[in-house]
Amino acid sequence: KAGVTQTPRYLIKTRGQQVTLSCSPISGHRSVSWYQQTPGQGLQFLFEYFSETQRNKGNFPGRFSGRQFSNSRSEMNVSTLELGDSALYLCASSTVDRRLDTQYFGPGTRLTVL
Amino acid sequence: GDSVTQMEGPVTLSEEAFLTINCTYTATGYPSLFWYVQYPGEGLQLLLKATKADDKGSNKGFEATYRKETTSFHLEKGSVQVSDSAVYFCALSDRTGNQFYFGTGTSLTVIP
Repeated sequence: KAGVTQTPRYLIKTRGQQVTLSCSPISGHRSVSWYQQTPGQGLQFLFEYFSETQRNKGNFPGRFSGRQFSNSRSEMNVSTLELGDSALYLCASSTVDRRLDTQYFGPGTRLTVL
Repeated sequence: GDSVTQMEGPVTLSEEAFLTINCTYTATGYPSLFWYVQYPGEGLQLLLKATKADDKGSNKGFEATYRKETTSFHLEKGSVQVSDSAVYFCALSDRTGNQFYFGTGTSLTVIP
């Protein structure tokens, strides 16, 4: 079974631009979660989507948004990029409930904001 | 709010040494607890988990016991190998499943 894939793997943007990251979960997984990993703040939860609906949300500004499609693929969008948005963005999928099910992580998208 | 605190690294051990990485949590009710591992150049992988008090998670020689009385979930391994060199993250899913929190990570280096 193919793992979680994320595209692109690397991105370089400038302040003020917007960016869209993509995540394809493991086949059959309906829950997709996004996390931001930075050296200063560590791993922080952004949001979780389940069956095309945002089920949970972390404490991030509205510039961070996402969506999920009927095939469970998910996209994350960051508008008006700031230098502090430079991070590794990780996507994870699980079958239904990440409290009980294993979350499988993708390799991440490394975003650099100049 | 809920949170996870794990011991600072980096940790350097000789092969076959005993490993303990401390993790304590703050949460309302009964969260689920996890240890994830990130090998160099790779993504996070679930190492083990426990979903209720007194549960013991185990995998690849690693163990952790969910201790409600001490709000802890310490990771242990009796004899580490060079291949165990990685960053280890303690994590918590709150009782509703709405939020997921990671510790800051502990870097482990095992030397031959």
